[in-house]
Amino acid sequence: GAVVSQHPSWVICKSGTSVKIECRSLDFQATTMFWYRQFPKQSLMLMATSNEGSKATYEQGVEKDKFLINHASLTLSTLTVTSAHPEDSSFYICSAFGRRGDSGANVLTFGAGSRLTVL
Amino acid sequence: AQSVTQLGSHVSVSEGALVLLRCNYSSSVPPYLFWYVQYPNQGLQLLLKYTSAATLVKGINGFEAEFKKSETSFHLTKPSAHMSDAAEYFCAVSGHAIQGAQKLVFGQGTRLTINP
Repeated sequence: GAVVSQHPSWVICKSGTSVKIECRSLDFQATTMFWYRQFPKQSLMLMATSNEGSKATYEQGVEKDKFLINHASLTLSTLTVTSAHPEDSSFYICSAFGRRGDSGANVLTFGAGSRLTVL
Repeated sequence: AQSVTQLGSHVSVSEGALVLLRCNYSSSVPPYLFWYVQYPNQGLQLLLKYTSAATLVKGINGFEAEFKKSETSFHLTKPSAHMSDAAEYFCAVSGHAIQGAQKLVFGQGTRLTINP
């Protein structure tokens, strides 16, 4: 239980194009989703926190217009990298927080990540 | 504010030997502490977490960690390393909740290598 699906797992795009990454909670309702960025051999850096139906809260230094986050439903959040450039190439990971319907327990689960390469 | 420091970006042990990965934290409020494992090109898997209950926490795959407030530490151990333990390990801290959710601050990670 408490599965988070992230898609796509790999994406290659041309510089200047936009890329959308999806994060879905499959068996629980995610009231909050977190988006992280991870550079090679480095730690995870929180980019933003999104609550369902609200605007995302971005961490200092993260460009809101560059990284668009939408959390329109309790099972789906999307990260759109707009006008991507090679420096946006990275591993993007989402995590979802919510309450399981069966046990009522809180869960925090990570997606498998999406590797973005911008040519 | 919270922060985590993992001592040693790379740890190498022999198969069957003790694994010790060090983590020290800083938190202005009582912390929640976590250890995650990451295999190449994958997301994070929770190994164990401390949430103010027992100070010795047992997790999956034979790992355990002990919360020591006086030392502000939460070191991860495993008595006998397996080849399958080779991965990147992250310590994380959460000091408060955002509408019930946990905002995690991660350490820089420790790469564990197991020698046959």
